[in-house]
Amino acid sequence: NAGVTQTPKFQVLKTGQSMTLQCAQDMNHEYMSWYRQDPGMGLRLIHYSVGAGITDQGEVPNGYNVSRSTTEDFPLRLLSAAPSQTSVYFCASSYWRTSNGYTFGSGTRLTVV
Amino acid sequence: SQQGEEDPQALSIQEGENATMNCSYKTSINNLQWYRQNSGRGLVHLILIRSNEREKHSGRLRVTLDTSKKSSSLLITASRAADTASYFCATVAFQGAQKLVFGQGTRLTINP
Repeated sequence: NAGVTQTPKFQVLKTGQSMTLQCAQDMNHEYMSWYRQDPGMGLRLIHYSVGAGITDQGEVPNGYNVSRSTTEDFPLRLLSAAPSQTSVYFCASSYWRTSNGYTFGSGTRLTVV
Repeated sequence: SQQGEEDPQALSIQEGENATMNCSYKTSINNLQWYRQNSGRGLVHLILIRSNEREKHSGRLRVTLDTSKKSSSLLITASRAADTASYFCATVAFQGAQKLVFGQGTRLTINP
């Protein structure tokens, strides 16, 4: 099925470990983004990309890196996990200036102990 | 900081009643969008209204936008138990990159 695929769905990390959250879309969307969702905080933008080779920071970028080598993939890297990064992470994509909104993945629930 | 602020934070109504949720935002926008999130799931796009539109309908959903007051409302008519979810408004700024900025959401519970 067409859409945004996130892997893994669940992950437990120890403090200081690194990992990559994967995001892939098959809709040829130019725009991709990563959000984190914490209780009572809504969704906050971490990083976004307007096309292959172009990335920029969102509201809460510290501790995270991204790259966009292809249109389809937009991985999020945690450099050195901290308990404050315990959250649910969502990847989203869309066409540029779309009327159809964003398509979200099903999320990755990350716990850092 | 969050662009949108939803009101109320939680709403509980009886099945069949109408549900109204409000959203306020701070800066000029290109468009405003509403999303639904069922518990433990990703967000689903419901409706998009552009800054030059005042009202939009989609099925049982009605969205209004008042750019002079920087506010929007989402009305769900004839609510159903399946409408139980969290609802978020999100804005795309008038200028700059297409970043979607979310409010904190309204938790809607429909009681059978």
